[in-house]
Amino acid sequence: GDSVTQKQGQVTLSEDDFLFINCTYSTTTYPTLFWYVQYPGQGPQLLLKVTTANNKGISRGFEATYDKGTTSFHLQKASVQESDSAVYFCALVLSSGSWQLIFGSGTQLTVMP
Amino acid sequence: EAAVTQSPRNKVTVTGGNVTLSCRQTNSHNYMYWYRQDTGHGLRLIHYSYGAGNLQIGDVPDGYKATRTTQEDFFLLLELASPSQTSLYFCASSGNTLYFGAGTRLSVL
Repeated sequence: GDSVTQKQGQVTLSEDDFLFINCTYSTTTYPTLFWYVQYPGQGPQLLLKVTTANNKGISRGFEATYDKGTTSFHLQKASVQESDSAVYFCALVLSSGSWQLIFGSGTQLTVMP
Repeated sequence: EAAVTQSPRNKVTVTGGNVTLSCRQTNSHNYMYWYRQDTGHGLRLIHYSYGAGNLQIGDVPDGYKATRTTQEDFFLLLELASPSQTSLYFCASSGNTLYFGAGTRLSVL
């Protein structure tokens, strides 16, 4: 069945470090892919979205590229700040009608000052 | 700005207890969802609905009922709560993306 895999449960960086969070997916179609961010005490919120049409999403300094060949959708940021500390979820949508999202297990990012 | 409001924010009950989690959206969205969030599992879909009176089963529905009374209101019911249902619960509605509430933390002792 369809699935999303995030193998990094926790990532700890220092300010200005480069961020890379791995996400791979498995599906029989070419899905729309998302990164959601969850700050402490809040619900997840959309960070960026990528479709088969545009292949790359950029938002708030974060970037993710849709690679159909490797079925990957890694999240990157050139220089993280302490305020980026949060949980990051990769997700794919099964169908545009019902917007059922399948989420990865999440990556807790901690950025040390 | 899309708005999804959940209540209560925190709830403690005992095994076998009866719990209702409430969700209201003011986005005029057709679809609403209930997810649970557990460490190591991410967010898992319990139930969802595409309109008043409609209910669809998600990926982890066992032990949960849900009811959509109006376009705005979606309820999650745990009629015989068990410790395995201790979790953080999120409601969401969807337009061109999911909009989540702030969550309800439920502890079943």
